[in-house]
Parts: sequence; structure tokens; C-alpha cells
Amino acid sequence: DARVTQTPRHKVTEMGQEVTMRCQPILGHNTVFWYRQTMMQGLELLAYFRNRAPLDDSGMPKDRFSAEMPDATLATLKIQPSEPRDSAVYFCASGSPPAEDTGELFFGEGSRLTVL
Amino acid sequence: AQTVTQSQPEMSVQEAETVTLSCTYDTSENNYYLFWYKQPPSRQMILVIRQEAYKQQNATENRFSVNFQKAAKSFSLKISDSQLGDTAMYFCAFMKLYLNDMRFGAGTRLTVKP
Repeated sequence: DARVTQTPRHKVTEMGQEVTMRCQPILGHNTVFWYRQTMMQGLELLAYFRNRAPLDDSGMPKDRFSAEMPDATLATLKIQPSEPRDSAVYFCASGSPPAEDTGELFFGEGSRLTVL
Repeated sequence: AQTVTQSQPEMSVQEAETVTLSCTYDTSENNYYLFWYKQPPSRQMILVIRQEAYKQQNATENRFSVNFQKAAKSFSLKISDSQLGDTAMYFCAFMKLYLNDMRFGAGTRLTVKP
């Protein structure tokens, strides 16, 4: 049963600390998205990658957030330093655009981050 | 960038009745995809229905159907014979071709009452 795996599921940290969230996309998927979910903003697109290269990271605060794909099986989202306003659920999703162009995204279960 | 707007933060419906969730979007693209995702309390994101912009026929999946109005940039979801298990947050989403730039609305929290 192929699935997108995210770790950690829950993270509580103090303001100023570094936070790293990890995502293992479904094997064979070449596109990875990162989203942030809050009550006020819904699901915000932070960044997405294709074949490990960033296609768009305009939704990400550049001064404290960074996203990368060290290899095809791992995507990371790092916040340094973390702030209380970063408290949210962070979702990773993966997919591959098939020839028929009916690409579908498969979501992980999310990482709930609380910054005190 | 594309934007997706869901103007109903919360809605409720009686079990077995019909409810319609609204969604509008803004884009300069001519071909694209639209989606409705369901998020129950478990946080899992579940694809409900998908519509290709180049198809005029509205998509249907069992009790779920959409009303796609391309000129008006409107994409509403109708749930017929509502069930308690339909209680969830529903997100409307827009995607450019080739799995690019998928964006979501703020969501509508739907409660189905017994």
C-alpha cells in the first residue's frame, strides 16, 4: 500500500529553535508539494519540486524557511528560527504527471507543529 | 498566481438532504483541473471529485456531483443524500496542467446532522 510518509506527526518546540520536517514521497513520484494548513488561511502552497528541482517556492518566507530534496526519496522543510506564528499543520503531497495529464496528488498525514 | 475562494466557512445539512458548497477561482489559463478534497477529523486528505476544464460535462461520483461554469469561473459541489460520514472540511482546488501549481481554497466545514 503506497503512501506518502511524513515525520514527525507532532512536534512541540520553543520559539527560536530549528524545526525539520521530513517527507518520503511515493516511490516513483517525481513531484512533491509542501502545504501549510491554518484555520485562517486554509491550505497554503509553500513550495513544490519536480525531479528534485524547485519549481516554485514563492509561498515560503525565505528568511526562515527552506525546502530541499536531498534525493528522490526524501523532501525536507526546515524552519530556523521558528516563531509562534509558524504553528500549523504541514502537509507533503506527491504525484507524477502522466501522459494523459490527469495527475493526482497523494497526501501524507501531516506534521502538526506547535511553537511556544 | 491562481486564487481559489470558498465563501462559506461553515455549513450544515440534515442527514439524507442535499447540500451545495460553493467555489470560485481566478486564472488566465484556458486548460486546467479542478478538484474537491475532503478532510475528516483524521486530517487525511481524500480526493472526492475531479473536473477537467476542457470537458463541458459535469463530473459525478456516486452522491457527489459538480456544477462547473467555466465562463463564470465557478465550481460548486453538490452532495446528495447526505450521510453522517460526510461531516468534514471540504477544500476546492485548482491545478494547472502537468501537475503544476496546485492551490486550495480556505475550506468549508460541513456538518451533517442526524
